[in-house]
Amino acid sequence: DTAVSQTPKYLVTQMGNDKSIKCEQNLGHDTMYWYKQDSKKFLKIMFSYNNKELIINETVPNRFSPKSPDKAHLNLHINSLELGDSAVYFCASSGGQVRGEQYFGPGTRLTVT
Amino acid sequence: GEDVEQSLFLSVREGDSSVINCTYTDSSSTYLYWYKQEPGAGLQLLTYIFSNMDMKQDQRLTVLLNKKDKHLSLRIADTQTGDSAIYFCAHGSGNTGKLIFGQGTTLQVKP
Repeated sequence: DTAVSQTPKYLVTQMGNDKSIKCEQNLGHDTMYWYKQDSKKFLKIMFSYNNKELIINETVPNRFSPKSPDKAHLNLHINSLELGDSAVYFCASSGGQVRGEQYFGPGTRLTVT
Repeated sequence: GEDVEQSLFLSVREGDSSVINCTYTDSSSTYLYWYKQEPGAGLQLLTYIFSNMDMKQDQRLTVLLNKKDKHLSLRIADTQTGDSAIYFCAHGSGNTGKLIFGQGTTLQVKP
């Protein structure tokens, strides 16, 4: 009965590779997000989709491309991975009664070597 | 601006009260939030407060809001070892559901 799930949980890859992280929510929420948490635990929003439509697109390199095939899924594809992309990436969703309440996935720890 | 500032670390003894502080610059937010992140997990909403309130109490948690000073605090009464986590203050920005988070306060509870 996992609410927001992400795969994979860990991802180790070399510089220059292309990788994807998948996210699914079974809460029936309309809005989904991708966040990046750096080594100092600072959490910054990257993207947000509402009903498959991109509504937030922060200053993120073009190498990052989100895709939402339906409102329950939001995937993140990263091209030409760099060392600085190493972080924990969190998916979240919202749409409940409390505005601003976001449900987070367990995170994907990406390590670029 | 959208800055949210928190102290980075707080250490307390089990049974004591913990107070985590936060200051923010954007006074237009309708809601302010406290999220908790346990090791190896995502964030979880702990509590929230409307911007027109001064205080909200929820069991062991008390949130105080000083809108004039743009200061938010979270008090945890009778702190337990299970409260050890990172606590993030956040506020909403705009109408897109975007949240601006502080850098998180690591709470260490010693037995």
